[in-house]
Amino acid sequence: DVQLVESGGGLVQPGGSLRLSCAASGFSFSDYYMDWVRQVPGKGLEWVGHIRDKGNSYTTYYAASVKGRFTVLRDDSKNSVYLQMNSLKTEDTALYHCVRDSGYGARDYWGQGTLVTVSS
Amino acid sequence: DIVMTQTPLSLSVTPGQPASISCKSSQSLLGSDGKTYFYWYLQRPGQPPQLLIYEVSKRFSGVPDRFSGSGSGTDFTLKISRVEAEDVGVYYCMQAIWFPLTFGGGTKVEIK
Repeated sequence: DVQLVESGGGLVQPGGSLRLSCAASGFSFSDYYMDWVRQVPGKGLEWVGHIRDKGNSYTTYYAASVKGRFTVLRDDSKNSVYLQMNSLKTEDTALYHCVRDSGYGARDYWGQGTLVTVSS
Repeated sequence: DIVMTQTPLSLSVTPGQPASISCKSSQSLLGSDGKTYFYWYLQRPGQPPQLLIYEVSKRFSGVPDRFSGSGSGTDFTLKISRVEAEDVGVYYCMQAIWFPLTFGGGTKVEIK
């Protein structure tokens, strides 16, 4: 079964940094593009960033709200994708989901998420 | 950015009755490859979103056939033929033709 397990969330002060991890299993991780999507508890979904595979030079894309502050990385040897978050703002407080891109546009599997709280 | 507009905001449905949710995109979601990059998700309480429908009308693995999707271009509809208790939650539409991916605001479905 496909599994995506996020970790690394927590409480951080404004201006601080945090690195989220997502461990993938149950599929050939290196063959898939991956995304991060966040959700303020009780609110809607906001796409954060995307990373392609080695064959596509690990190309990344970002939401305007996080561009220049967040970086999506992956380590295919560890079946993991990461979200490096710098210069955090209170509005970055959310549950961050790791999501698999099916290859035909659908984001087909989502992790449970890890909660990031940015507060002084 | 492509704006996804969902209606209604909420639905209260008697079990066994049908339900319908609409989603409109601000631009066509038809790609040059002939595919339409439009999806429906259900987020049950306390759970991450789960894929229901991809490319407008194709049911994802394990999705009951009471769920159906239709539409084209910029107007799309999700129909539940007979609502069951397990269908409660928030339904989201999403487009993936262009970055940034964008979602509708969600439709909360509850049981009467």
